[in-house]
Amino acid sequence: ELKVEQNPLFLSMQEGKNYTIYCNYSTTSDRLYWYRQDPGKSLESLFVLLSNGAVKQEGRLMASLDTKARLSTLHITAAVHDLSATYFCAPDDDNDMRFGAGTRLTVKP
Amino acid sequence: GAVVSQHPSRVICKSGTSVKIECRSLDFQATTMFWYRQFPKQSLMLMATSNEGSKATYEQGVEKDKFLINHASLTLSTLTVTSAHPEDSSFYICSARPPSGRSNEQFFGPGTRLTVL
Repeated sequence: ELKVEQNPLFLSMQEGKNYTIYCNYSTTSDRLYWYRQDPGKSLESLFVLLSNGAVKQEGRLMASLDTKARLSTLHITAAVHDLSATYFCAPDDDNDMRFGAGTRLTVKP
Repeated sequence: GAVVSQHPSRVICKSGTSVKIECRSLDFQATTMFWYRQFPKQSLMLMATSNEGSKATYEQGVEKDKFLINHASLTLSTLTVTSAHPEDSSFYICSARPPSGRSNEQFFGPGTRLTVL
């Protein structure tokens, strides 16, 4: 069964700082998704990573995928308060998609 | 494109009653839909995979007689929580996947918050 480890689970950042969220998974998935969830809301798709070495950027967020290391990262650059949310990674192994535990990000002024 | 709706968004019911949640793909046909449950401050847990025209596949530990899933058409799947109890209170989220495309991406509905009194 596909297992997913996400860390850190909780992240408190100052505005303007950089940080990286890590997502390790147990199988040879070559597809991985990142989602954002605001309190009381459903998931918002952030990135779809479809191959080894894939890198995608949107605003202050950049995601990458290393399928050989079974690792994806979500890098936050110059954090702002609006980025406060919970972030989930979800690798997809042959149509079996599992979610990480989530990283609850709080960006403080 | 790729919009998924859920109805109702919130429901409060008495213990012992049944509740039906609908999940619709509005602008695409979905041969596969998924039902997730999320408890407060936890991740999403897959409950079952629903395929149009066939029986749903339930994850280990999910009671199929309690959580009835029907995927009657390519745009509609329903989840019925039968004889609901307070421990069934949760946020239920469905997703749908278009039949083709390399990404296999799932598109998520807005969720249904169930409170059982």
